Amino acid sequence: RKEVEQDPGPFNVPEGATVAFNCTYSNSASQSFFWYRQDCRKEPKLLMSVYSSGNEDGRFTAQLNRASQYISLLIRDSKLSDSATYLCVVNGETSYDKVIFGPGTSLSVIP
Amino acid sequence: NAGVTQTPKFRVLKTGQSMTLLCAQDMNHEYMYWYRQDPGMGLRLIHYSVGEGTTAKGEVPDGYNVSRLKKQNFLLGLESAAPSQTSVYFCASRQPTPYEQYFGPGTRLTVT
Repeated sequence: RKEVEQDPGPFNVPEGATVAFNCTYSNSASQSFFWYRQDCRKEPKLLMSVYSSGNEDGRFTAQLNRASQYISLLIRDSKLSDSATYLCVVNGETSYDKVIFGPGTSLSVIP
Repeated sequence: NAGVTQTPKFRVLKTGQSMTLLCAQDMNHEYMYWYRQDPGMGLRLIHYSVGEGTTAKGEVPDGYNVSRLKKQNFLLGLESAAPSQTSVYFCASRQPTPYEQYFGPGTRLTVT
């Protein structure tokens, strides 16, 4: 089993739609979780951290379910500018100083 | 404050040639990383460093060497380039906590 798994998509949604991405991780001892965004041919950038109690940043909501080892990202009222690949990131299994990137989920928001 | 910079941005090599990719950060970060990203695949860790003078292997270290002689710089070397090393290389840095990584713009390398 891979350390971090994501549905690769692509997700093609109309503007204004709500879309949810899921991510599972294998190391139950993981403590830190993030969502990064990567635009085509650009570097990844932090979108938001994921806290145990869940957190929201504008149209974006992140949830963590430790029991199921599952992270989610919900995007409401999708914009064309949300089109990107979304990377789930979890701190590494074998070392406190590594983080593991999931393969990413591709989102295309269609006019 | 430039953040993380990478040199060069693009490079074409012939099989067997060598080159060094330079990563520089001005945020005084302790940890630095080199990743490669291939089409349709996620980021794969090549080597990383938790401080000046230290390096460690990541997931795909074969064919690469690294050095961290100065805290702000992390060099990635290819001693004898192979077509399988055609990829986009990203450097990143962070502090021990929080875990947020800051990435450079990437180096697009083609080996023919």
